[in-house]
Amino acid sequence: GQQLNQSPQSMFIQEGEDVSMNCTSSSIFNTWLWYKQDPGEGPVLLIALYKAGELTSNGRLTAQFGITRKDSFLNISASIPSDVGIYFCAGQGGATNKLIFGTGTLLAVQP
Amino acid sequence: KAGVTQTPRYLIKTRGQQVTLSCSPISGHRSVSWYQQTPGQGLQFLFEYFSETQRNKGNFPGRFSGRQFSNSRSEMNVSTLELGDSALYLCASSRLGGGTDTQYFGPGTRLTVL
Repeated sequence: GQQLNQSPQSMFIQEGEDVSMNCTSSSIFNTWLWYKQDPGEGPVLLIALYKAGELTSNGRLTAQFGITRKDSFLNISASIPSDVGIYFCAGQGGATNKLIFGTGTLLAVQP
Repeated sequence: KAGVTQTPRYLIKTRGQQVTLSCSPISGHRSVSWYQQTPGQGLQFLFEYFSETQRNKGNFPGRFSGRQFSNSRSEMNVSTLELGDSALYLCASSRLGGGTDTQYFGPGTRLTVL
């Protein structure tokens, strides 16, 4: 099945550090979304981006919709232990709401 | 407002059996989409239902089917289960579907096929 290229695959950081992850696609999307998934749970929406070039923040999280509409990044500032989880990007395009997900980034934060 | 609910949360079946999973969307949401999550393939789109009609379909065999009821609740059925069907099945709801409508996920049903 189709998946977006997401990097890095995993990150092991110290509490307080900033984190950056990105997602690239060969296709253009109208919407980019970032989700966080905890073990045994469904993905929880963090940030939604609707316009090319858009930069949106949600607390310590900042995400941008790339100008080419083929990429997006997510930054987490001053990480805390509860940031641990798997982060997924997802692209949504055309007239349907079918989401194409990235391969995921596993984030581990050491107190 | 209650979130998306899925039942059951866990299920164990044997090869050849069939299974039905249920999803109740957020109140007022009319679009329900289903996704399969496995370690190897990640999150893959199965299908979307809106107003009791399948509106979009992913690349899964015909053993995977679904339906939606008039109250927007949806069920997914997998017949003749195979070992590779073991996965977390996620349901997501949105108000109207469409290209910019945000989807909210339920906790998933963990299916294990023995």
